[in-house]
Amino acid sequence: KNEVEQSPQNLTAQEGEFITINCSYSVGISALHWLQQHPGGGIVSLFMLSSGKKKHGRLIATINIQEKHSSLHITASHPRDSAVYICAVDSGGGADGLTFGKGTHLIIQP
Amino acid sequence: EAQVTQNPRYLITVTGKKLTVTCSQNMNHEYMSWYRQDPGLGLRQIYYSMNVEVTDKGDVPEGYKVSRKEKRNFPLILESPSPNQTSLYFCASSPSPLGRDEAFFGQGTRLTVV
Repeated sequence: KNEVEQSPQNLTAQEGEFITINCSYSVGISALHWLQQHPGGGIVSLFMLSSGKKKHGRLIATINIQEKHSSLHITASHPRDSAVYICAVDSGGGADGLTFGKGTHLIIQP
Repeated sequence: EAQVTQNPRYLITVTGKKLTVTCSQNMNHEYMSWYRQDPGLGLRQIYYSMNVEVTDKGDVPEGYKVSRKEKRNFPLILESPSPNQTSLYFCASSPSPLGRDEAFFGQGTRLTVV
């Protein structure tokens, strides 16, 4: 089974800072997802990617398939970005879907 | 609006009292799945369903049952809940097995078993 590691586990930053969250996995994948979970709320899909880079507003996700590594970047961070960010991978082996990282708890202070 | 709806959002119950957490999606998705989320462990899959009447165990199925009689509904049943099932539960759906398409998650159900 794929092992998914995220770093850092916790991150506190000031508003406006550039944020980077990292995800590495142990076995080749067919797709990687970045998810966002707000306190007390549900989980929202941010990105699904299998190569290269995707951008949505202030969020950018990149993946390096050879290095088995992905990063999620947040530019001009804002307190509303405070959430848990979860990396999940699909190893493509069957119908059981995603393997999840433990999440990165991000706090953006005003 | 495309959504996955779970009910209830919060539930406190006693050991041994059967309960059902409902999950419904309005996107005609074939694939649905249940997860539990525990501190330090992340999300772990309980059961999944590829389509109506097709269900299978995930990583942590013990103590849970599911059914898929209609495409839109995928209830999670705890026949005899125990305190170690206290957790945050999420239902998810997708057009195909999660990972190959965007996944849609419910708002979560926080269950406490005393």
